[in-house]
Amino acid sequence: GDSVTQTEGLVTLTEGLPVMLNCTYQSTYSPFLFWYVQHLNEAPKLLLKSFTDNKRPEHQGFHATLHKSSSSFHLQKSSAQLSDSALYYCASNYNVLYFGSGTKLTVEP
Amino acid sequence: EAAVTQSPRNKVTVTGGNVTLSCRQTNSHNYMYWYRQDTGHGLRLIHYSYGAGNLQIGDVPDGYKATRTTQEDFFLLLELASPSQTSLYFCASSVGGSAETLYFGSGTRLTVL
Repeated sequence: GDSVTQTEGLVTLTEGLPVMLNCTYQSTYSPFLFWYVQHLNEAPKLLLKSFTDNKRPEHQGFHATLHKSSSSFHLQKSSAQLSDSALYYCASNYNVLYFGSGTKLTVEP
Repeated sequence: EAAVTQSPRNKVTVTGGNVTLSCRQTNSHNYMYWYRQDTGHGLRLIHYSYGAGNLQIGDVPDGYKATRTTQEDFFLLLELASPSQTSLYFCASSVGGSAETLYFGSGTRLTVL
């Protein structure tokens, strides 16, 4: 069945450094890929989504490129901010949304 | 923005107890979902529905029942609660299935003693 893998459980960065959170997926079909963000004591909410191979959606400085050849949808940002500290979920959707285990990003001054 | 309201916000029960979690969405979305969130496991789908009277099984349905009584209301039932069901439960809704954005409620924290 469908699955999403996020290899890093915890990522700690210094403010101003680049961010890259890994996401790979496994699916029989061509799924839609999403990144959701959950700040402390809040509900998850959509950060960005991509449907087209090599199309690069962007939101709040974050971007991700869907590479079907490598089944990846890594999240990137050029310069981390303190407010980026949150739990990030990669998700795959062909019929229903399947989430990865999440990556907790902590940005320190 | 889509509004999804969950109740209660917090619930404590004992092993073997009977619990009902409620979710209401007011945006005429067709799909509604119940997820549980646990550290190290992320968000796992329990049940979902694509309309009143419809119920679909998710990835971790054991020990849970659900019922979609109306377009707006989706309930999660734990008839014999166990400590392993201690978790943060999120309800979500979406217009359709594939490719659609999920809108989440604020969550219900359930503790089973």
